[in-house]
Amino acid sequence: EDQVTQSPEALRLQEGESSSLNCSYTVSGLRGLFWYRQDPGKGPEFLFTLYSAGEEKEKERLKATLTKKESFLHITAPKPEDSATYLCAVQGIGDDKIIFGKGTRLHILP
Amino acid sequence: NAGVTQTPKFQVLKTGQSMTLQCAQDMNHNSMYWYRQDPGMGLRLIYYSASEGTTDKGEVPNGYNVSRLNKREFSLRLESAAPSQTSVYFCATGLAGKYEQYFGPGTRLTVT
Repeated sequence: EDQVTQSPEALRLQEGESSSLNCSYTVSGLRGLFWYRQDPGKGPEFLFTLYSAGEEKEKERLKATLTKKESFLHITAPKPEDSATYLCAVQGIGDDKIIFGKGTRLHILP
Repeated sequence: NAGVTQTPKFQVLKTGQSMTLQCAQDMNHNSMYWYRQDPGMGLRLIYYSASEGTTDKGEVPNGYNVSRLNKREFSLRLESAAPSQTSVYFCATGLAGKYEQYFGPGTRLTVT
């Protein structure tokens, strides 16, 4: 059964304090791993897709990396506006569906 | 270009009442999805439609029905609402051959 586990559940950082969010996954044949950002009261917003181990994607202060068992979302010198819940999801080969993790709530203190 | 729109934004129902949540997209995507999001449970797939004319059950389909009216519209119906269906409902779309999904703003439903 496909599974996605995110850690930590919540993370509080000072502005400028870099850190990483973890997404561990189990899937029989990875088609893609996705990262989303969700602000309170809004729908998830797509950030990245990673397809194979070793791949990296960057967007502003965010960098996503992928291994065969997990993905990391690295946040460099975060700002208060980076505060949000970050969701990880996976899709298996031949599957129309995406399985989501429960998310990491990130709070950046000014 | 509105992307994915959902109506209504908020709804309060009494147990046993019925209602339909509407979703429309102008992104020309083939696939459409309905999720519910509950605290501590994450996003769970209710139903999806890989293309116009097809629908399939997701992880939590009981108590719901769907209709893929055309390529643009995908509705979710609660025939007899229960308090356990209190949740935030999200519609999402995806383009065949690309795997990321794009979400609407959500409908916040309370069943008393």
